[in-house]
Amino acid sequence: RKEVEQDPGPFNVPEGATVAFNCTYSNSASQSFFWYRQDCRKEPKLLMSVYSSGNEDGRFTAQLNRASQYISLLIRDSKLSDSATYLCAVRGSQGNLIFGKGTKLSVKP
Amino acid sequence: DGGITQSPKYLFRKEGQNVTLSCEQNLNHDAMYWYRQDPGQGLRLIYYSQIVNDFQKGDIAEGYSVSREKKESFPLTVTSAQKNPTAFYLCASSITPTDTQYFGPGTRLTVL
Repeated sequence: RKEVEQDPGPFNVPEGATVAFNCTYSNSASQSFFWYRQDCRKEPKLLMSVYSSGNEDGRFTAQLNRASQYISLLIRDSKLSDSATYLCAVRGSQGNLIFGKGTKLSVKP
Repeated sequence: DGGITQSPKYLFRKEGQNVTLSCEQNLNHDAMYWYRQDPGQGLRLIYYSQIVNDFQKGDIAEGYSVSREKKESFPLTVTSAQKNPTAFYLCASSITPTDTQYFGPGTRLTVL
């Protein structure tokens, strides 16, 4: 089992749709989780940290399920500008981030 | 401006040549990281440094070398021993190893 796994997509959705991404991780001792957004040919940018109780930032909601070892990202009322690749990351034992391969989202008018 | 800078943005290398990618930060971050990204892939860790004058190998360190002589600088050398160096190289830093990592704009290396 890979350390961090994501559905590669692509997810093609219309504007206004709600879309959910899941990411599973293998190390049950992991403590820190993140979602990054990466636009084409750009660097990843932090979207949200994921907290144990779940957290929300506007249209974006992140959740953690420790029992099943997955994190999720929900985007409500999707915009054209949300089109990007979404990377989940889990912190490794040395502080480094272990990334999934990313899920590509395309929001269509 | 505060931030992480990488140079050059694009780099072309002939086979057999060593090249050095620059990464500088003025955020006073202790920890710095080098990742490699191949098309359709996630980021993989090459080297990391938790404090000046110290660095550790990541998952794919073979064919690469680094130095951390100054807190703000963490250059990566891609040597001729790296079999498939064409990739997007990303540098990141964080205040401490357990804090949020922020990325530089990256360097695209192409071997001709």
